[in-house]
Amino acid sequence: GAVVSQHPSRVICKSGTSVKIECRSLDFQATTMFWYRQFPKQSLMLMATSNEGSKATYEQGVEKDKFLINHASLTLSTLTVTSAHPEDSSFYICSARGVRGGNYEQYFGPGTRLTVT
Amino acid sequence: DQQVKQNSPSLSVQEGRISILNCDYTNSMFDYFLWYKKYPAEGPTFLISISSIKDKNEDGRFTVFLNKSAKHLSLHIVPSQPGDSAVYFCAASAKTGANNLFFGTGTRLTVIP
Repeated sequence: GAVVSQHPSRVICKSGTSVKIECRSLDFQATTMFWYRQFPKQSLMLMATSNEGSKATYEQGVEKDKFLINHASLTLSTLTVTSAHPEDSSFYICSARGVRGGNYEQYFGPGTRLTVT
Repeated sequence: DQQVKQNSPSLSVQEGRISILNCDYTNSMFDYFLWYKKYPAEGPTFLISISSIKDKNEDGRFTVFLNKSAKHLSLHIVPSQPGDSAVYFCAASAKTGANNLFFGTGTRLTVIP
């Protein structure tokens, strides 16, 4: 079954509004969570890395004030796209890393399709 | 700058035959490599990994080969099944458990029944 969940799976919003995406590790504690973005026919690009209880580390070119990341607990991280614009339309995928079943693993969520109109 | 490259965007293979997906990397600091399978509108699913101390890792129908001198790895699927049809990404990191995985652009595998 799923190890990492994301909600919502699909969201359509109007330009200028904010959208929050949740990422949960279901049966393990994720010490680190990652947020990726994938454009059509392109690779997954890391946006930011967050450790529980500390500020996220953003990759170069990613606006931290636009993509707010909160990693409030060992099982939950949220990505808020603020003042969304059509160019923010993309597939956002979270990933959680931690010890599960005795192994240090990284699992991906199912992704969230964001469409900004 | 794409540090992990998958030069074949697509591959078609007959069911029962071997599928070989290739991946090249440029960063000599990479020492841990992974393959993920991805269906449309879903997150990647981990398939198999290999650390740089090995040159081969096998798991059922999936085998990953690593050629460090050539900075090349490949994923072999044999026998290929229609359910294997998906996009396959290779990924690399500079050390096991490192923060960032660098992904290739993916290869779409189609297994023809």
